[in-house]
Amino acid sequence: DAKTTQPPSMDCAEGRAANLPCNHSTISGNEYVYWYRQIHSQGPQYIIHGLKNNETNEMASLIITEDRKSSTLILPHATLRDTAVYYCIVRVELGYSTLTFGKGTMLLVSP
Amino acid sequence: ETGVTQSPTHLIKTRGQQVTLRCSSQSGHNTVSWYQQALGQGPQFIFQYYREEENGRGNFPPRFSGLQFPNYSSELNVNALELDDSALYLCASSLGLADYNEQFFGPGTRLTVL
Repeated sequence: DAKTTQPPSMDCAEGRAANLPCNHSTISGNEYVYWYRQIHSQGPQYIIHGLKNNETNEMASLIITEDRKSSTLILPHATLRDTAVYYCIVRVELGYSTLTFGKGTMLLVSP
Repeated sequence: ETGVTQSPTHLIKTRGQQVTLRCSSQSGHNTVSWYQQALGQGPQFIFQYYREEENGRGNFPPRFSGLQFPNYSSELNVNALELDDSALYLCASSLGLADYNEQFFGPGTRLTVL
């Protein structure tokens, strides 16, 4: 399994960009990088995913390095409601679609 | 469109008992996955059901079992409960098995084993 490494916690001021890093140095060529977040007492919520090109949606941007060994999730204007645990996941090829979660990064957005 | 729902929201059981947790998948989704999330940890994959058949399983003992019904709702059954089974149990539904399909999670069932 391609494993991911994330910092355990990060702080961000409200209104500023939050840049969450993830290392996945053993990723295989056809494995996707996914980001989910989990707000306290809720189930995980999908944010974005990508293979090798940078991706952007209404929630965030995903920047994947050219060698695909790391990525960064960018929340362009963090709000207090973005306080959550953010999980970077590399999709495991097991013949069925599942998600292997690590411990993630606890992002605290402060006023 | 109705999201993923789970019942009950909270449950307290004693060691050795059996428990059944329920999940209704998002409308149109035929795949349900179950995860266990211990306090302070990320969710861990238990198993997945696709069109009423178990399609894959994580590293959980046989006392964890499941069912998927024709309407694609699902149950998670745990026999002979142990203290370490105390966790948040999450259900996620998706459309099909392809790796790029987004999984939608329910709010979870908090199980406490005393």
